[in-house]
Amino acid sequence: QVQLVQSGAEVKKPGSSVKVSCRASGGAFSSYVIDWVRQAPGQGLEWMGRIIPISGTTNYAQKFQGRLTITADESTSTAYMELSSLRSEDTAVFYCAREAAGRVAFDYWGQGTLVTVSS
Amino acid sequence: DTQMTQSPSSLSASVGDRVTITCQASQDISKCLNWYQQKPGKAPKLLISDASNLETGVPSRFSGSGSGTDFTFTISSLQPEDIATYYCQQCQNLPFSFGGGTKVEI
Repeated sequence: QVQLVQSGAEVKKPGSSVKVSCRASGGAFSSYVIDWVRQAPGQGLEWMGRIIPISGTTNYAQKFQGRLTITADESTSTAYMELSSLRSEDTAVFYCAREAAGRVAFDYWGQGTLVTVSS
Repeated sequence: DTQMTQSPSSLSASVGDRVTITCQASQDISKCLNWYQQKPGKAPKLLISDASNLETGVPSRFSGSGSGTDFTFTISSLQPEDIATYYCQQCQNLPFSFGGGTKVEI
């Protein structure tokens, strides 16, 4: 059974960076595509970017270009999302999700990581 | 970028009612449209992929249809456990994008 387990909640100062991890179990990590989705308090879902771990290929939403870095470590079956230059508007729950094999649908999700940006 | 317009943003219905949510894409996305259910404090759950393919284990009262730019999600007989927010998501073009969500209440 596939599971995605994310790191715990974080509180960050404006201008700092946060790095959230997403450890996968079950299935072959090298065959995954991992996406990151953000949800601000009381708001909808926002796609941020994705990584294909086997190739290291990444795609980012233009909105986050220059601030977002998604990486993956195949040896630990872990994906990472790092967001820099944090501002209060970045306060949100961040989810990792796996793209289902052969289609672009997010069939497994992490439990979410709350990142609070506050001075 | 492909914009997804979902309506209504909220609705109130009774148990047993038929509920319909629409999602419109700003450009042709073929059938690359997924629907998710999200309950408070939980991660979204994939219900339907490729516009109309019901995921394994999802009750048959959920269905989806459409292609091109116009899509529909239906709950044929609303149950108390269906109280949630529903999102469409286009998967045809990067960046992938979600609709604004529909909060379903009883």
